[in-house]
Amino acid sequence: DQQVKQNSPSLSVQEGRISILNCDYTNSMFDYFLWYKKYPAEGPTFLISISSIKDKNEDGRFTVFLNKSAKHLSLHIVPSQPGDSAVYFCAASAIRAGGGADGLTFGKGTHLIIQP
Amino acid sequence: DAGVIQSPRHEVTEMGQEVTLRCKPISGHNSLFWYRQTMMRGLELLIYFNNNVPIDDSGMPEDRFSAKMPNASFSTLKIQPSEPRDSAVYFCASSFELGGRPYNEQFFGPGTRLTVL
Repeated sequence: DQQVKQNSPSLSVQEGRISILNCDYTNSMFDYFLWYKKYPAEGPTFLISISSIKDKNEDGRFTVFLNKSAKHLSLHIVPSQPGDSAVYFCAASAIRAGGGADGLTFGKGTHLIIQP
Repeated sequence: DAGVIQSPRHEVTEMGQEVTLRCKPISGHNSLFWYRQTMMRGLELLIYFNNNVPIDDSGMPEDRFSAKMPNASFSTLKIQPSEPRDSAVYFCASSFELGGRPYNEQFFGPGTRLTVL
């Protein structure tokens, strides 16, 4: 049973517009959420994260929103650029007692294509 | 600044053979994670270590898989005997856990693409 779901396998957005990638989770123990970006033949690269005590985190063109009651998070990219074309993974983790986190549980990814 | 190093980058082997994947984490990191990526299951955690000690190996698919971390700068993931369904990309990731901080970013290596014929 998938605990982290990305229901859109792909998304096409015009350059300069907003890209919105969505993610849903089922495990209420998750309290830290991350987005990773992946290019072909490379490992995932950390993009942005958010703790469950917040509902928004912003870093430049990237903003992550968390709705705990709906168990939903989204990544907004504004404005979208051609270099943003990649696979984006949503991931979640539970904080261990005493600090530190468990390994990540990933969604299956959304392939974002930025059209020039 | 060297990132996480994995070797080999590609491995093709025949069913029944032993396969060993290697990982060198980022110097100073004290947590190491092994993940596997397949089309069917996506990216899934296999095992992770903290200060060279295995913390959670519940993701290891079966007894054919084993992982070791003999020291802070090296880890192996071994499959013996290998089967075609083990074909996947295997990623190693590392992070630095500091007491009291809730989370630290995991840095991923480039992965090892394993094909078992």
